[in-house]
Amino acid sequence: DAGVIQSPRHEVTEMGQEVTLRCKPISGHDYLFWYRQTMMRGLELLIYFNNNVPIDDSGMPEDRFSAKMPNASFSTLKIQPSEPRDSAVYFCASGEGPSGNTIYFGEGSWLTVV
Amino acid sequence: GDSVTQMEGPVTLSEEAFLTINCTYTATGYPSLFWYVQYPGEGLQLLLKATKADDKGSNKGFEATYRKETTSFHLEKGSVQVSDSAVYFCALNVRGAQKLVFGQGTRLTINP
Repeated sequence: DAGVIQSPRHEVTEMGQEVTLRCKPISGHDYLFWYRQTMMRGLELLIYFNNNVPIDDSGMPEDRFSAKMPNASFSTLKIQPSEPRDSAVYFCASGEGPSGNTIYFGEGSWLTVV
Repeated sequence: GDSVTQMEGPVTLSEEAFLTINCTYTATGYPSLFWYVQYPGEGLQLLLKATKADDKGSNKGFEATYRKETTSFHLEKGSVQVSDSAVYFCALNVRGAQKLVFGQGTRLTINP
């Protein structure tokens, strides 16, 4: 089975540019998560969806960040405008309810904003 | 709020040494507990999990026992290998909320 697929794997962009990260969850999973990983703050949950509906976006750092899940097989995380402090690894993960089931991570999108 | 605390890293050991990485948690209700591992340049992979008190999760020679009385889920391995070098994350998942809460991670380096 294909795992969680993220794109791009690596992106270098200039400050002020729009960045769009993409994720395809594992088929049949009804939960999708976006995490951010930095050296300073570790792993942070940004937002998660259940059945394509955002459930908790309290981790989204500010209005520059937005996430969508138009259907069960696709999600995007957008940063507009990007800033150097957004440089991080962004992970998408998916899982199947109920709670206690395993959550599976993609390989991450490594973002550098210069 | 729910939280996970891991032992401070980095941890450096020699091959075949015994490993313990401590993990304690605070949670309302009865969480499921997980250990994830992250190898360099990769995403997180599930290593093992336990869903109720006194359960023992095990995989690849690693073990962890869900201790409700001490709110702990310490990771152990009897004889580590160089290939075990990675970052290890303890996490919990509170019932009724599918999201994971992670500890800060412990970087483990095994020297030959």
